[in-house]
Amino acid sequence: GENVEQHPSTLSVQEGDSAVIKCTYSDSASNYFPWYKQELGKRPQLIIDIRSNVGEKKDQRIAVTLNKTAKHFSLHITETQPEDSAVYFCAASKGIIQGAQKLVFGQGTRLTINP
Amino acid sequence: DTEVTQTPKHLVMGMTNKKSLKCEQHMGHRAMYWYKQKAKKPPELMFVYSYEKLSINESVPSRFSPECPNSSLLNLHLHALQPEDSALYLCASSQALLAAPETQYFGPGTRLLVL
Repeated sequence: GENVEQHPSTLSVQEGDSAVIKCTYSDSASNYFPWYKQELGKRPQLIIDIRSNVGEKKDQRIAVTLNKTAKHFSLHITETQPEDSAVYFCAASKGIIQGAQKLVFGQGTRLTINP
Repeated sequence: DTEVTQTPKHLVMGMTNKKSLKCEQHMGHRAMYWYKQKAKKPPELMFVYSYEKLSINESVPSRFSPECPNSSLLNLHLHALQPEDSALYLCASSQALLAAPETQYFGPGTRLLVL
């Protein structure tokens, strides 16, 4: 089955600097790659996603890049702010099968923004 | 209404108790999911219902019994749990349109403690 590896497990950056989190996946049939942010005690919230027919997607300070050949995708956060501190999970999916979408998550990255 | 809601927020139960977790969404989504999340770990898929039918069971022990009474409701019945079942139980939903990858929206979770 699909396996998603995420690095680093912890990341500390100065406020205003950029943060990059990387994920690799094993199943070349995966075609959907969401990123979730989970603050302490809160629900995972989708922050950005990318489909396999696109190489890059940007939403204000957040961007995701996908390299299908290498089977890896990355989250880029620019101009980091204290409220970006959270655990970030990447995930991969092969789309809808039997009416359901199975997400396989990476192990998570705890991002800390230092003022 | 663009939220997934879950009740209760917290639950403490003994190993001989029977309890139920409830999840509700009014976004017209036809796929609903149960995940289990241990501390500092990613969500792990347990069950998926698509159009009120069980679509995926990730080999979950029978002490967990899911139920989907209608397209808006999802229950998880708990019986004879073990202390290692203590975790955050997350519900999620998605549209379940044919083939296209889609966003899963998570509820706030029920934090379960088994004594």
